[in-house]
Amino acid sequence: AAGVIQSPRHLIKEKRETATLKCYPIPRHDTVYWYQQGPGQDPQFLISFYEKMQSDKGSIPDRFSAQQFSDYHSELNMSSLELGDSALYFCASTNADTQYFGPGTRLTVL
Amino acid sequence: KQEVTQIPAALSVPEGENLVLNCSFTDSAIYNLQWFRQDPGKGLTSLLLIQSSQREQTSGRLNASLDKSSGRSTLYIAASQPGDSATYLCAVITSGTYKYIFGTGTRLKVLA
Repeated sequence: AAGVIQSPRHLIKEKRETATLKCYPIPRHDTVYWYQQGPGQDPQFLISFYEKMQSDKGSIPDRFSAQQFSDYHSELNMSSLELGDSALYFCASTNADTQYFGPGTRLTVL
Repeated sequence: KQEVTQIPAALSVPEGENLVLNCSFTDSAIYNLQWFRQDPGKGLTSLLLIQSSQREQTSGRLNASLDKSSGRSTLYIAASQPGDSATYLCAVITSGTYKYIFGTGTRLKVLA
């Protein structure tokens, strides 16, 4: 069965650079969620989209923005990267009750 | 504001033991609760999903129970194996929202 795809799987950036993370939901899933998991921390909700509209927002810095496109894939754009942005970023998709999580993108900011 | 806590934070047991991981949440109005496994530096593997109307779910050696009124869930692992070593996370979706609130995790080590 198709799963949630995230790219890239690993990303290394310098401070103050920009990063773009991509999420491809399971086919026919119309909702995407983004979570951030810092080292030794539990995942924290960032933002979600339903039918290409932002549906909820968590503790997402103003330096981050995200959108969902017409094909339902989503991109998380992160600017002016800081050391503290180093984390595992998960995307999840759903069209009903269950959220299916992608493998995550590990972002390292040097 | 929903808060999810897991006890114990870490657990080390000899192989073959049956064990119980605990998860508590402050707002009992939940939509569902899910248990995940996470290996170091890896993604989340879904173990069991319990809808709010259900009391428990079973998969192989795993059994998860849910008591909404007391704000608690337990994950029971039977006959533990070294391959069960991982961090176990519980997460809830509070009614009226659609995002998961994750617990603090239990780091399990099963010794051979």
